Amino acid sequence: SQKIEQNSEALNIQEGKTATLTCNYTNYSPAYLQWYRQDPGRGPVFLLLIRENEKEKRKERLKVTFDTTLKQSLFHITASQPADSATYLCAPVSGGYNKLIFGAGTRLAVHP
Amino acid sequence: EPEVTQTPSHQVTQMGQEVILRCVPISNHLYFYWYRQILGQKVEFLVSFYNNEISEKSEIFDDQFSVERPDGSNFTLKIRSTKLEDSAMYFCASSENPRRLAGDTQYFGPGTRLTVL
Repeated sequence: SQKIEQNSEALNIQEGKTATLTCNYTNYSPAYLQWYRQDPGRGPVFLLLIRENEKEKRKERLKVTFDTTLKQSLFHITASQPADSATYLCAPVSGGYNKLIFGAGTRLAVHP
Repeated sequence: EPEVTQTPSHQVTQMGQEVILRCVPISNHLYFYWYRQILGQKVEFLVSFYNNEISEKSEIFDDQFSVERPDGSNFTLKIRSTKLEDSAMYFCASSENPRRLAGDTQYFGPGTRLTVL
């Protein structure tokens, strides 16, 4: 069955450093992969989408890579700030489908 | 910026009662979804809806659940006879163009916290 794995442990980093979050998936071949941010008690908020034919995507301080051979996506936040503290969710999406199957998410805490 | 809205923000009900959760998707969006998140767990897909019919549903979405778009703006999730395990945060989402093969962003509402006693 399809499986999505994200770091279950919280990631604690110092302000100004780069945070790197990992998303691994097995038993399917997504056409694209989305990253969302979720704050406690709130709905997920879209951050970035990367397609299977793209290796890397950037948006301001965010960077996503997508390695279909390794079945892995990495999500980077450079120059991290305490306001970046949240849970980050990945959702690999198979072609022809629109539903989002999320990983459990990785909680990021950026300390001043 | 347009946003998805949901009402109520918190609903408390007795086991066995019917509840209706309401959502107003973004106005030009064509595809609608419901997800749920049990406290401390991951966000789970329930159902997707397009062109006035269900496109896809998960195993969670059994006969106790139904969805409806009663007018041009609202999208509702009904749970016919609530169980304790239905207690969760329910999120509505919408997206613009389901036919765009390159991927489509979903916009989530703030959620309705359902507590079944």
